[in-house]
Amino acid sequence: DTAVSQTPKYLVTQMGNDKSIKCEQNLGHDTMYWYKQDSKKFLKIMFSYNNKELIINETVPNRFSPKSPDKAHLNLHINSLELGDSAVYFCASSQDTGYGYTFGSGTRLTVV
Amino acid sequence: QKEVEQDPGPLSVPEGAIVSLNCTYSNSAFQYFMWYRQYSRKGPELLMYTYSSGNKEDGRFTAQVDKSSKYISLFIRDSQPSDSATYLCAIPRGGKLIFGQGTTLQVKP
Repeated sequence: DTAVSQTPKYLVTQMGNDKSIKCEQNLGHDTMYWYKQDSKKFLKIMFSYNNKELIINETVPNRFSPKSPDKAHLNLHINSLELGDSAVYFCASSQDTGYGYTFGSGTRLTVV
Repeated sequence: QKEVEQDPGPLSVPEGAIVSLNCTYSNSAFQYFMWYRQYSRKGPELLMYTYSSGNKEDGRFTAQVDKSSKYISLFIRDSQPSDSATYLCAIPRGGKLIFGQGTTLQVKP
């Protein structure tokens, strides 16, 4: 199936831990994104990569570090997790920046 | 002022009702307007998009843009329980999508 897939779907971890979320797309898109959705369903961009190059880095704490080994993969590593990091993190991809996104199913992160 | 504002609801309607979902935006330069639908525990999926002013229809769904009042709407005719979801308006700007907060819709059988 053509899709954006991200793993894991659920992540429960303690404060202070380091965790990673992986994302892969097989749509042949050039641009990939990380969005954060808070408890009120508000979706906000964190990062975007175009052909492995970082093009958007919103005001995100530097505990969050994205990595794109190739244009089909975009991973998100989070250091020293805090309670406020609890949210759903969505990976997405698009052929052109800002249009026709395909989203993954999300990773529900709970920090306890 | 947020760039895109949307009443979060929730909105509850009986099956068969006409639903109106709305957003306002701040920048008159915006040209593309999108609606995404998000089912519970799923990622958003693109429902419709429009360019500039006017209407666009797709089955039971109609997207409308009024640039003079900076107002965008999504109408759902003959709503079905399967339409129960969160609907998010979105506007592309600077290589990213700016989302409204989303309106949660429940259609009761």
